[in-house]
Amino acid sequence: GAVVSQHPSRVICKSGTSVKIECRSLDFQATTMFWYRQFPKKSLMLMATSNEGSKATYEQGVEKDKFLINHASLTLSTLTVTSAHPEDSSFYICSAKVGHYNSPLHFGNGTRLTVT
Amino acid sequence: GIQVEQSPPDLILQEGANSTLRCNFSDSVNNLQWFHQNPWGQLINLFYIPSGTKQNGRLSATTVATERYSLLYISSSQTTDSGVYFCAVGVAGQNFVFGPGTRLSVLP
Repeated sequence: GAVVSQHPSRVICKSGTSVKIECRSLDFQATTMFWYRQFPKKSLMLMATSNEGSKATYEQGVEKDKFLINHASLTLSTLTVTSAHPEDSSFYICSAKVGHYNSPLHFGNGTRLTVT
Repeated sequence: GIQVEQSPPDLILQEGANSTLRCNFSDSVNNLQWFHQNPWGQLINLFYIPSGTKQNGRLSATTVATERYSLLYISSSQTTDSGVYFCAVGVAGQNFVFGPGTRLSVLP
C-alpha cells in the first residue's frame, strides 16, 4: 500500500519553456504532499509543502513564481517549472503522507529534468 | 531547526560483510525514517522508526529517542545494497529534515 506515482521520470526541455511534473497517490488520499529537489551527490532539499485546496507553502529561497505547485485533489499534486533555465536542471521528487502528524513519507520515483 | 548528522559519510564493504550506519539528531522527534536511494534515484522506505527496534530480513534499525540517535544495521551485505542511505526526522506537524546520507558501495 501507499504507492506514489510520479510522471514523467525523465524530461528534456529547451530554455524558456515550462515543464509540468505530476505526483499521484494511487491507493490513499494525501492531504499533504511535499516536493523535493536533489542536486548530484547531495541530500534532498525541501522546496514546498502542498496542501489540498490551499496555496503551497514554499521554503525560504524557493521562487514560488518559478516553481508553481497545484494540489487540486486529494490524490494529485503538480509542480510546474516555468520559463526553465539550465540551472533548473535537477532531480525532483515528490512525497506524500497518509494522515497528518506521526506517519511516514512515501516517495515517488522522481523526475530528472534537463534544460538545454 | 533540527540538525541531522549521519556517519560514516562513505562506506565500502566486501560482499557478505556487516555494517552499522548512524543518525544523530539535535532535538526530540516524533518521526524518523530510514531510506535507501538506489543508483537510479529511487527512494525506498526501509523503516519508519521513531523509537524502538524493527527488523526486516537482513536489515534492522534501532532508535533511542531519549539519546537522539538511530542505527541501521545491514547484515550479510549484497551488491544490491549499494546506494545512499538517508535518515529523515521530524517533529509532529512539521516537515521531515533529511540527513546528508551515507554512501555505501558493496564490492563483489
